[in-house]
Amino acid sequence: EVQLVESGGGLIQPGGSLRLSCAASGFDVSNKYISWVRQAPGKGLEWVSVIYSAGSTDYADSVRGRFTISRDSSKNTLYLQMDSLRVEDTAVYYCARGPDYGLWGQGTLVTVSS
Amino acid sequence: SSELTQDPAVSVALGQTVTITCQGDSLRSFYAHWYQQKPGQAPVLVIYGQNNRPSGIPDRFSGSSSGSTASLTITATQAEDEADYYCNSRGTSGHHLLFGGGTKLTVL
Repeated sequence: EVQLVESGGGLIQPGGSLRLSCAASGFDVSNKYISWVRQAPGKGLEWVSVIYSAGSTDYADSVRGRFTISRDSSKNTLYLQMDSLRVEDTAVYYCARGPDYGLWGQGTLVTVSS
Repeated sequence: SSELTQDPAVSVALGQTVTITCQGDSLRSFYAHWYQQKPGQAPVLVIYGQNNRPSGIPDRFSGSSSGSTASLTITATQAEDEADYYCNSRGTSGHHLLFGGGTKLTVL
């Protein structure tokens, strides 16, 4: 079955770090570009970061310098390292497969609060 | 502009036709894709590219585009179509991906 499964969310204090994982099955993550997209409570979708098949990356201005996207092809898994977390980073984080983003995971909730 | 603009809310009578629009400069260069999201669930792709439906999406969903505006049309709207709808497209000016703010569709 082709799917994405996120994990790693939780409650973290402002300034802390968290690493999210996105495990893929049914396809090779190295052959597709995959994004992280987040949704704050009661708000819309916001693109966060992308990793292309060639390995290059890009970030939204709101997270550039604090978040790092990477992948481990041997584990067919994508990661989002989130550092210097802020209250406004609180959201459900989804990974989704490009180019049409027709495949999404179920999401993992990150809550940044003291 | 690096934004996609959607009306926050739209309503439609059961069985009628409704059109949800998405406006932005990037749509002059890139197709819009459309997603349906119900409470507590991940988004689901309903239209991609020029006017393509993924497997399993009813043919009452269709898409179109003109200039800087993309549209999602639902004909013979059903109660289960009540949801939030988001457009997205590749971005210009260094933005990989843009999302519209979403439209909450209410079926009366």
